[in-house]
Amino acid sequence: EPEVTQTPSHQVTQMGQEVILRCVPISNHLYFYWYRQILGQKVEFLVSFYNNEISEKSEIFDDQFSVERPDGSNFTLKIRSTKLEDSAMYFCASSYSGTYNEQFFGPGTRLTVL
Amino acid sequence: DAKTTQPNSMESNEEEPVHLPCNHSTISGTDYIHWYRQLPSQGPEYVIHGLTSNVNNRMASLAIAEDRKSSTLILHRATLRDAAVYYCILRPNYGGSQGNLIFGKGTKLSVKP
Repeated sequence: EPEVTQTPSHQVTQMGQEVILRCVPISNHLYFYWYRQILGQKVEFLVSFYNNEISEKSEIFDDQFSVERPDGSNFTLKIRSTKLEDSAMYFCASSYSGTYNEQFFGPGTRLTVL
Repeated sequence: DAKTTQPNSMESNEEEPVHLPCNHSTISGTDYIHWYRQLPSQGPEYVIHGLTSNVNNRMASLAIAEDRKSSTLILHRATLRDAAVYYCILRPNYGGSQGNLIFGKGTKLSVKP
């Protein structure tokens, strides 16, 4: 069964450093998403991406964040200058259509900012 | 986004049915009712969704009230693997929406052997 994969599973970085979180969505999916979950809190939407551009983004997704689909298979989330409060699980998800189909989530990347 | 209300936690015994309620009194006519769950240390996982009629799939059943202001996710025989946080989410069904999911706190289901 196809699945969404994410790398790395755990990333440790120093405050102020740039990190890139990688995701490989399911191959025929067209919509891509990033969510995050701070330990013990709700899953929060960050950004959705369709047709090579951002469709929607939340207030959390400020200028420090960017997304890219560099080669037609990978989908990346970049945090330019990490802050302590960026420590969280980051989940990538993909779906075939935006509204009608379920989203398939990856296992997540745990980001720890020291 | 329309709001949903779920109990914080529920307990069940293994191999017994579980009924997880969700209230969504402000639902609009174009909102689909989606259920996801999150097992410990994993990403969310789709369970089921519906609009007006009751729905069944291999994982669960979804019973939707006639006025659509509430719904119930039914696990027919709970297993230990069903212990998770269950989220009831309303998704608007119109062309302008890209379908991002707005998660609440969900219901934490514990299953006792």
